[in-house]
Amino acid sequence: GQQVMQIPQYQHVQEGEDFTTYCNSSTTLSNIQWYKQRPGGHPVFLIQLVKSGEVKKQKRLTFQFGEAKKNSSLHITATQTTDVGTYFCAGLNAGGTSYGKLTFGQGTILTVHP
Amino acid sequence: DGGITQSPKYLFRKEGQNVTLSCEQNLNHDAMYWYRQDPGQGLRLIYYSQIVNDFQKGDIAEGYSVSREKKESFPLTVTSAQKNPTAFYLCASSTGAGLNTGELFFGEGSRLTVL
Repeated sequence: GQQVMQIPQYQHVQEGEDFTTYCNSSTTLSNIQWYKQRPGGHPVFLIQLVKSGEVKKQKRLTFQFGEAKKNSSLHITATQTTDVGTYFCAGLNAGGTSYGKLTFGQGTILTVHP
Repeated sequence: DGGITQSPKYLFRKEGQNVTLSCEQNLNHDAMYWYRQDPGQGLRLIYYSQIVNDFQKGDIAEGYSVSREKKESFPLTVTSAQKNPTAFYLCASSTGAGLNTGELFFGEGSRLTVL
């Protein structure tokens, strides 16, 4: 079945440093979504990428979708303490036995030291 | 306010007991989902429903059951057959399903602890 691997599992940064989390799928994706979960909270949708090679920006956050639609990344520039939380990718499978199924990565836990 | 309401927020259960977690949405979404979250394992799909009176098993359905008698409601029962039920349970809904799955809206979660 489809697997979505996300790295790193943990990332500790000093405030002001950049942060990147990577997501890789074993199968081609129809689209990929990104979510943020604050400590003690629930996941909240950030963005959806659909097109091959797509790049989207939200203030200090940059999201990329790979040309082969099998990988994606989230980059945060100049982290702030408000960026603390777990970032999840979720890939929507484009075919095979997992057709139309949304699979979450394991998440990257970001800690920002002031 | 539109959204998803899960209850209870915290629940303690003795071994051998069934427990039902409530999930209600007023977003008029067709699709609803139940996920289990354990540390370091992300979100794993238990069951999902794309329409009333229909639901499908996810990746870890054993020991769980659901019903979808109303569009707004998708309760999850954790049965005594679930060997390791202590976890954080999240309910979600979306406007579409399958390849049309859009943004997932999550409830605040229910934390189940088996004593």
